[in-house]
Amino acid sequence: AQSVTQPDIHITVSEGASLELRCNYSYGATPYLFWYVQSPGQGLQLLLKYFSGDTLVQGIKGFEAEFKRSQSSFNLRKPSVHWSDAAEYFCAVEGKSTFGDGTTLTVKP
Amino acid sequence: EAGVAQSPRYKIIEKRQSVAFWCNPISGHATLYWYQQILGQGPKLLIQFQNNGVVDDSQLPKDRFSAERLKGVDSTLKIQPAKLEDSAVYLCASSLDMYRGAPSYNEQFFGPGTRLTVL
Repeated sequence: AQSVTQPDIHITVSEGASLELRCNYSYGATPYLFWYVQSPGQGLQLLLKYFSGDTLVQGIKGFEAEFKRSQSSFNLRKPSVHWSDAAEYFCAVEGKSTFGDGTTLTVKP
Repeated sequence: EAGVAQSPRYKIIEKRQSVAFWCNPISGHATLYWYQQILGQGPKLLIQFQNNGVVDDSQLPKDRFSAERLKGVDSTLKIQPAKLEDSAVYLCASSLDMYRGAPSYNEQFFGPGTRLTVL
């Protein structure tokens, strides 16, 4: 059965610092992978997606993610975090539309 | 282009009552999804439609939950009777067509959700 694990429930970073959110997946074939962001009271917004090809994908708001098949990972990164990035982030794998339980990002001024 | 519409945005009911949620997907989207998101968890797929047919309802608690998409456009999700553990946000999403070859047709667009509180 497919699954998605986000090991970090909550991460706090200072504004301007770099960010990496971890995502590990279990899937029988080559996965389609997604990162979504959810701000309080808002729906899910797609940040980026990986279907095939280049393993480093660029998304909106300055985010990027790297697909590593050998590690079954799809970690999300941002070089410099802004206060407006504070939100909950979800990694998802297509197929059964399986989501991780999310990582809450807090940004310190 | 209008996004996915959901109503109501909030609903409070007593346990054992019934409730219905409505979703109108993006125009032209053949695939529609309903998710349940319990506080502190990621969304869990309840049911997936392709036009007016059910593709996957394996995680739908069929003893109390039902959903329909009769004309292949908008959809209704119903809970009857509600339990305390049904308190959650119910998200609707749509995508162009899950059966098309290009993966971009699977990209899901989410509505704002309906927050259900069962007392």
